[in-house]
Amino acid sequence: DAKTTQPTSMDCAEGRAANLPCNHSTISGNEYVYWYRQIHSQGPQYIIHGLKNNETNEMASLIITEDRKSSTLILPHATLRDTAVYYCIVRFTGANSKLTFGKGITLSVRP
Amino acid sequence: NAGVMQNPRHLVRRRGQEARLRCSPMKGHSHVYWYRQLPEEGLKFMVYLQKENIIDESGMPKERFSAEFPKEGPSILRIQQVVRGDSAAYFCASSFEQGGTLGAFFGQGTRLTVV
Repeated sequence: DAKTTQPTSMDCAEGRAANLPCNHSTISGNEYVYWYRQIHSQGPQYIIHGLKNNETNEMASLIITEDRKSSTLILPHATLRDTAVYYCIVRFTGANSKLTFGKGITLSVRP
Repeated sequence: NAGVMQNPRHLVRRRGQEARLRCSPMKGHSHVYWYRQLPEEGLKFMVYLQKENIIDESGMPKERFSAEFPKEGPSILRIQQVVRGDSAAYFCASSFEQGGTLGAFFGQGTRLTVV
């Protein structure tokens, strides 16, 4: 699996959009971008995933650049409960594919 | 994610005892992954199992640790002769298919404390 690079931490104000960047410059054609988050030592929670098109669900939006070398997770209206470690993971869709977690980015939402 | 059930949620063992951690995957899922998270560290992959088969155990310690996923019943992560360094949160995840585009869904973990 290709590696990803994320900032160590960021913060945003409650109610504002949180834009979490991720670099994956060595991503290959059959690798998807996944985002998970972990709220204070709970089990990781799936957020969203995509291949090359932008994706949106009830939790977030995922914007993937045209060259697929980077992506941004957008939480449109951050709340205090969104404070968590967010993991950007690149995973291929073949046999024995597993999620490999890096250090993630710690998002702190302030009142 | 409530669908993946892990028990017990908390487990205390004395050094030298055995720890058995159980994981029931989401309904319809036949692939299970185990991860370990040491205090203040990231999630580390341990083992990937399909029903009755170990697919990838590259992250499992060579000794004292074993995992199984029988045809019937939950997946079991077994740690023999526990030591203080085994104290960690152990997370299980399940997925519907091998290598599919759908991600894996995690349980709430078992927190093992070795005293």
